[in-house]
Amino acid sequence: GQNIDQPTEMTATEGAIVQINCTYQTSGFNGLFWYQQHAGEAPTFLSYNVLDGLEEKGRFSSFLSRSKGYSYLLLKELQMKDSASYLCAGSPSYNTDKLIFGTGTRLQVFP
Amino acid sequence: GAVVSQHPSRVICKSGTSVKIECRSLDFQATTMFWYRQFPKQSLMLMATSNEGSKATYEQGVEKDKFLINHASLTLSTLTVTSAHPEDSSFYICSARGQGVGNTIYFGEGSWLTVV
Repeated sequence: GQNIDQPTEMTATEGAIVQINCTYQTSGFNGLFWYQQHAGEAPTFLSYNVLDGLEEKGRFSSFLSRSKGYSYLLLKELQMKDSASYLCAGSPSYNTDKLIFGTGTRLQVFP
Repeated sequence: GAVVSQHPSRVICKSGTSVKIECRSLDFQATTMFWYRQFPKQSLMLMATSNEGSKATYEQGVEKDKFLINHASLTLSTLTVTSAHPEDSSFYICSARGQGVGNTIYFGEGSWLTVV
């Protein structure tokens, strides 16, 4: 199978740091994506990790460990506008254009 | 700007009718596009892979005759929901891998379908 698991909901305070974890079955995936999705809108691309390690992009960073089947998205200096769903998605090695999505994590940022 | 465009963004149709949703790649050719469906408060579920010039590949549990996919050109894929029912009401999104735009996968704006 190609299950991708994320926590369903998280809450955090404005200005804080939050880490959203994603675990997946190690076989068959070639790269992990993170997308942000506000309610009623299409997902927007945040990051893509194909190699192990941390990728930093402004307030957002994403980490991947292929051997452990583990990724996380780190959001720093949280803002109210960061309240959204965060989707972890794997790209199967048999078709790297395809995305298999996790359940998504709904993050709510409080003042 | 958007690299993948969908139309219409919102559509309401009567139960039993058919509705077509278009997905266009802008400024690049996409031999493969993907169609997803998303119910409220749920994640995206892949419905099918749209292949230019050949039949679409459907995911398990997706009815081929109900969700017709046509990929007639390298920049356009269409999804037609036939004999729509209220349970088909959902958010439909397409995606394509960009070429020369960071090589990432981009989504269209999505199409809200409401069947009444």
